[in-house]
Amino acid sequence: DSGVTQTPKHLITATGQRVTLRCSPRSGDLSVYWYQQSLDQGLQFLIQYYNGEERAKGNILERFSAQQFPDLHSELNLSSLELGDSALYFCASSVTSGRRVDTQYFGPGTRLTVL
Amino acid sequence: GIQVEQSPPDLILQEGANSTLRCNFSDSVNNLQWFHQNPWGQLINLFYIPSGTKQNGRLSATTVATERYSLLYISSSQTTDSGVYFCAVYGGSQGNLIFGKGTKLSVKP
Repeated sequence: DSGVTQTPKHLITATGQRVTLRCSPRSGDLSVYWYQQSLDQGLQFLIQYYNGEERAKGNILERFSAQQFPDLHSELNLSSLELGDSALYFCASSVTSGRRVDTQYFGPGTRLTVL
Repeated sequence: GIQVEQSPPDLILQEGANSTLRCNFSDSVNNLQWFHQNPWGQLINLFYIPSGTKQNGRLSATTVATERYSLLYISSSQTTDSGVYFCAVYGGSQGNLIFGKGTKLSVKP
């Protein structure tokens, strides 16, 4: 158990809908990262937050957004869903951000299926 | 951006065999992690290894940062070692991971 929790484990929804994925980092970790794993694109970095502020953006679509709350949990919002958004979404956390990099610990993931 | 290449893409072993997985990266990196993704999709940290060699039971890893590669050794493989092994490097300015495409390992009884 990495100490990172994600809910829900599975999510099945229809095209055009909006969903919210939730992540709680390990105790003491200030950075939260979101990654997407799809069959065609592999594992890709989406976005990072550090202590409530957005720090870095990767290949995140405009239909997707995220935030980190004062208690450090994070939510990834996916809207106007398309079939191609079906993927496994991981959250990871680490102690620090920036040049001093630390081990990232991954949650169990949320498997999203868009029908 | 930094490219991460893993080889071989697929590997089939008999239980008890040894194997070496390789990870090449195209530029200087701050650090490197190896992961095992089990058949249930969970990503498990194996090693955080910027340079040198680390060992954990039957697994060990070596990173030669100056030559831009890392190796993961699995000895006396077991069926529970099956899954996909990913190498990921810290390439972003904020420490986000860049993953290789993985090596899919199947260990047969």
